[in-house]
Amino acid sequence: GAGVSQSPSNKVTEKGKDVELRCDPISGHTALYWYRQSLGQGLEFLIYFQGNSAPDKSGLPSDRFSAERTGGSVSTLTIQRTQQEDSAVYLCASSPRGLQTYTGELFFGEGSRLTVL
Amino acid sequence: TQLLEQSPQFLSIQEGENLTVYCNSSSVFSSLQWYRQEPGEGPVLLVTVVTGGEVKKLKRLTFQFGDARKDSSLHITAAQPGDTGLYLCKGGSEKLVFGKGMKLTVNP
Repeated sequence: GAGVSQSPSNKVTEKGKDVELRCDPISGHTALYWYRQSLGQGLEFLIYFQGNSAPDKSGLPSDRFSAERTGGSVSTLTIQRTQQEDSAVYLCASSPRGLQTYTGELFFGEGSRLTVL
Repeated sequence: TQLLEQSPQFLSIQEGENLTVYCNSSSVFSSLQWYRQEPGEGPVLLVTVVTGGEVKKLKRLTFQFGDARKDSSLHITAAQPGDTGLYLCKGGSEKLVFGKGMKLTVNP
C-alpha cells in the first residue's frame, strides 16, 4: 500500500496476556517510530529505528515492552504480561530519513487500539 | 528533558470564530512542526517552520515560529467544522518531542 499500515486496528486482551502489534512502513523509508497515545492526548515516544537498529529505546515504559524491526521494513511491538494501564492507541510512523534530518515529515499509520481488560 | 507545552488544551467554538493555539518550550528547537489528527486516524503534517520569526500561511491557517525558536503559534481564521481535531506541535530534535495537543471542536 501507499501508506503506513498497522495491524490489528483493534485488540482486546485480558490482563496478563502478551500482545504483538505490527507496523508496515512506507516502502523505502529507513526510519520507523512507535508512539503511544492515551485518551486522545499527546503522543508519548516509545522507540525509534534507523534501519534494523534502535538507537533510542529510552521511551519504552518498562521491560515488558520490546520492539524489533527486520529487513529494514516491518516492525513488531510486543507487550508482555499486559496491564490495564497499557490500554492506549499505539501509533507507528515512518520517514524517508532518520533523525539527522530534523525537519523530516513523519507519516503515521491509523494506529492499533489496545484495550486490556 | 525537552518539553513542549500547548495551550489551551481544549477549545470549543462556533463556526466563523478565530482562534490561536500556542506551543511553548524552554528549549531551542532547530525546527517545529504542526500536525492535525482526526478521530481514528494518525496525525498529518500541516507545516514545518525552521527559521526564527518565520511566518507561514496555509489557507486560513497562519503559523509563526518565535524569534528565539522556543515557541510557535497557530492562528485559524473563520474556523469551520472541518477544522475539528487534535492539533499537535512537534519539536525538531533527537527526542522527537510532541506537545500534548489542543483538542478543537468547531460547532456549526
